[in-house]
Amino acid sequence: DGGITQSPKYLFRKEGQNVTLSCEQNLNHDAMYWYRQDPGQGLRLIYYSHIVNDFQKGDIAEGYSVSREKKESFPLTVTSAQKNPTAFYLCASSISVARETQYFGPGTRLLVL
Amino acid sequence: SQKIEQNSEALNIQEGKTATLTCNYTNYSPAYLQWYRQDPGRGPVFLLLIRENEKEKRKERLKVTFDTTLKQSLFHITASQPADSATYLCALDGFSGGYNKLIFGAGTRLAVHP
Repeated sequence: DGGITQSPKYLFRKEGQNVTLSCEQNLNHDAMYWYRQDPGQGLRLIYYSHIVNDFQKGDIAEGYSVSREKKESFPLTVTSAQKNPTAFYLCASSISVARETQYFGPGTRLLVL
Repeated sequence: SQKIEQNSEALNIQEGKTATLTCNYTNYSPAYLQWYRQDPGRGPVFLLLIRENEKEKRKERLKVTFDTTLKQSLFHITASQPADSATYLCALDGFSGGYNKLIFGAGTRLAVHP
């Protein structure tokens, strides 16, 4: 079964804590993306990576960090610097560049305690 | 400024009718436009892509049109069913913030009533 998996489904963060959201794909896609979705707003791009060991900031990268050490994996860390982290986080991948069809994971909902 | 807009109000229709959703954009010149379906608490799922030189695209009960003069795409679901109830997102390829990327609208929620 090919696809994108995200874990956990729900994540609770305490104030001052860093948390990491997992994203794994077995589609052999080069490009991967992290989006944030808030009610009534379009998906906003946090970070993207077009190739292993390379990633770029999106529109709202402040307070977030990523790594891309393996083609299959693109974890997102929400740091304590992100003051409003409560949102639905979506990971996506595409064959190559950002302009093509993207395939999304099931999402992680992050809540602040 | 650059904008992509979808009707924020939910669209309520009766089963069997045709649902029509609108996506308008300003200050973009997309080479193509995509439509995705998103169910509550799930990730979006790709439905259709239409290119700038295509007027219309069909897939089963779905039809998408793309008018680059009006800067608008229409998404139609014919013979709608309650199972079609979801939020539908449009996305276009655009250059913004210094790089090319997919830019998503906020989505329109469709509710099909039996």
